[in-house]
Amino acid sequence: GAVVSQHPSRVICKSGTSVKIECRSLDFQATTMFWYRQFPKQSLMLMATSNEGSKATYEQGVEKDKFLINHASLTLSTLTVTSAHPEDSSFYICSASGGGLSTDTQYFGPGTRLTVL
Amino acid sequence: QKEVEQNSGPLSVPEGAIASLNCTYSDRGSQSFFWYRQYSGKSPELIMFIYSNGDKEDGRFTAQLNKASQYVSLLIRDSQPSDSATYLCAAPRGYNKLIFGAGTRLAVHP
Repeated sequence: GAVVSQHPSRVICKSGTSVKIECRSLDFQATTMFWYRQFPKQSLMLMATSNEGSKATYEQGVEKDKFLINHASLTLSTLTVTSAHPEDSSFYICSASGGGLSTDTQYFGPGTRLTVL
Repeated sequence: QKEVEQNSGPLSVPEGAIASLNCTYSDRGSQSFFWYRQYSGKSPELIMFIYSNGDKEDGRFTAQLNKASQYVSLLIRDSQPSDSATYLCAAPRGYNKLIFGAGTRLAVHP
């Protein structure tokens, strides 16, 4: 149980384009989903928290207009990196919690490696 | 003081030995703690969580929590080369969020 998927696993795009990443909870309903970013050899950095049907809460320093988050259902959240630039190249990982599981426990998706040329 | 602190390592242990990974936290109100394992280039995977003082065992893994000392540890018995990874300690912050330590890199050598 508690399986989270992400798509795509890897994406390469040109500077200035937008990229959408999907995060799905496959076998539970995720009341909350989280988006993290991780640069090489660094720890996880929480970008935002999203609850189904409401606006995402962004961490300090994360531009909400650049990183658009939609959590339209209890099993799907999307992150759109708008007008991506090379400095946005990173490993983006989502996690999900809720659905009768321990409210604190987060289950991670496999991550999306974004490379902006 | 960081909310969750871990020694970055690397912690090097021989195959078959016990690996001991440590974590301290600053918020005395924290009630639960999580250990995740992250292989290079992969996302974190949950190993176990612990809520109560004392030990919690799951296979080769034992989590230990001492709330008075604000200390949580993870012991890996009979370490295998496949255990080589970065181990992340996490504690709740606010409602639903987790704050992660920087992680300890474990290297198990044959």
